[in-house]
Formats: sequence, C-alpha cells, structure tokens
Amino acid sequence: ETGVTQTPRHLVMGMTNKKSLKCEQHLGHNAMYWYKQSAKKPLELMFVYSLEERVENNSVPSRFSPECPNSSHLFLHLHTLQPEDSALYLCASSQDPGNTIYFGEGSWLTVV
Amino acid sequence: QKEVEQDPGPLSVPEGAIVSLNCTYSNSAFQYFMWYRQYSRKGPELLMYTYSSGNKEDGRFTAQVDKSSKYISLFIRDSQPSDSATYLCAMWKFAPGTYKYIFGTGTRLKVLA
Repeated sequence: ETGVTQTPRHLVMGMTNKKSLKCEQHLGHNAMYWYKQSAKKPLELMFVYSLEERVENNSVPSRFSPECPNSSHLFLHLHTLQPEDSALYLCASSQDPGNTIYFGEGSWLTVV
Repeated sequence: QKEVEQDPGPLSVPEGAIVSLNCTYSNSAFQYFMWYRQYSRKGPELLMYTYSSGNKEDGRFTAQVDKSSKYISLFIRDSQPSDSATYLCAMWKFAPGTYKYIFGTGTRLKVLA
C-alpha cells in the first residue's frame, strides 16, 4: 500500500458536471497538498492544509473547492470546469508544512 | 527570469552511461534541494534530499549542490533502462508561512538498452 492514495485515477467530466477527487495519506503526516501538473509546465501548488486548516490558497479559481475533514483525508471538489483544467492533479503530504513532501499517483482529469 | 531553470530534454543515453541532470536557480535563499523521479502517468517519487552544499550519495545516485553557483546536479551511474523517466528538481527556503516548493519543469531521460 502506498503512503498517499488517490481516487479516481482517471476522470472524464463535462463542463457542467460536479465531481470530487479524493486523497488519503497513511503516513501520519500533518500537512496535505493539492498540486496541478500540466504538460511542459512546472508543478503548480493549489492548496495547503496543516492539521485540517487551510494555510495557503495559491490564487486558485473558485471552481476548485478543497475540503480537509481530518489530517488523513483531503478532497478536491470540482464544478463547472473548463477544458484548460484538464491535467494531472496530485495530492501530497508531509510531516509538517515545508518538510519533504510525498506524492500520490495522481488523478488524470479530462474536461470535455 | 524563472526561479528554477531545468532543461526539458529529452536526454537519450546508452545503458551503462553516466547521466548528469542539472538545475539552476536564481534565489540564493533556497536551502533545501530535492530530486524527484516521475514515471509516465505516475506521481513524482522522492529520490534525493539535500541541505547545504556538497555531495550526497545513495546507491547509483549522487546529488550535488553548489550554492555559490546556484546550481544543483543529479548524477546517475551505470544507468539502466528502468531509469527512463522524468526527473524533477525542487527547492525550498524556510520562511514563516512559506510552504511553497519551487519545481523545475523536469528533464525527460531515456536510457537505451
């Protein structure tokens, strides 16, 4: 079992749909992150949670809505997305914010 | 100027070659340097983590940091086809309220059998 698991691995959604990405970490870490990875671009930090409190929101459009019910689980709720939002969405965790981060396998999102 | 520059490649080498992957950066405040390996359609996997200048070795991998030149390198000895992946450099500076790693765009490596 990997330390950070993400579901679903692949998702295709229409622009009017509402869906959610789920992440669970089994490492006992206190911080969790959402990153976006697009082709030929550096990883983009979206959100950071520390002990279930959002500590950074990196100017992400409101059509992306994170939720962190506890230190082991993180969600990314998606609604009215655009085709340019198609990307690999990576969840990660670290012992505390700023420590070495460990990534999940990612969720491939395609918006049609 | 980008904070981190990394040649996207692809870099193709024969099996057994020594591979050198590099990143340059502009902010001298960076203190922590990481290398991640990312296989196709997978998440990045932490390979090496260094703090301060100098070399760190782990098996066939050596991470090198030259803070005076703002240059970091990852060397892979006796490269194998299984090393074919994209290699991402990342760095971070400690500052209150700062949680942001800066990533390079990644270098795609192909090791030919």
